[in-house]
Amino acid sequence: EDQVTQSPEALRLQEGESSSLNCSYTVSGLRGLFWYRQDPGKGPEFLFTLYSAGEEKEKERLKATLTKKESFLHITAPKPEDSATYLCAVQAIGSGTYKYIFGTGTRLKVLA
Amino acid sequence: GAVVSQHPSRVICKSGTSVKIECRSLDFQATTMFWYRQFPKQSLMLMATSNEGSKATYEQGVEKDKFLINHASLTLSTLTVTSAHPEDSSFYICSASFRGVEAFFGQGTRLTVV
Repeated sequence: EDQVTQSPEALRLQEGESSSLNCSYTVSGLRGLFWYRQDPGKGPEFLFTLYSAGEEKEKERLKATLTKKESFLHITAPKPEDSATYLCAVQAIGSGTYKYIFGTGTRLKVLA
Repeated sequence: GAVVSQHPSRVICKSGTSVKIECRSLDFQATTMFWYRQFPKQSLMLMATSNEGSKATYEQGVEKDKFLINHASLTLSTLTVTSAHPEDSSFYICSASFRGVEAFFGQGTRLTVV
């Protein structure tokens, strides 16, 4: 069964304290892995798509990496405005409906 | 990224009435749209997937007669919650995708049934 597990569930960082969020996945064939940011009461905001192992993408203080079993979202020198829930999702090859499978997210709090 | 507009952002309705939520892709053609429900501090629960011009595919356990989905054009999908009850109160979110590539999300709709 296709599955996505995110860890940790919650993370508190001091401003400037770099860290990584993990997304482990089990999928029959990976079509794509997606990272989203969600603020309270809002819809998820698209961050990155990764398609194959070894791929990396960067945007400001965020960097996403992908292996055959997991993805990491590295946050360098975070600021309080980076506080949000970060969601990971995978899309499986052969999924005729292009269905996304979401993890439960990591709630990040960055303290000033 | 692409823009998906969801309306209304908040709605309060009386028990037994129906509520329609609209999801529009503003700058691209959405061949596929997804509808999710999200409970507090939980992840997104997929309710149904719809492809333009065809019937929606509902996830197991989702009542298709209660949650009516229409995807009549490449830029608009609607979710109608029929005969709403307090247990239908939730945060509903749509997302839109062009041929299964990245999906972009609407702002969400907070439904409260009183």
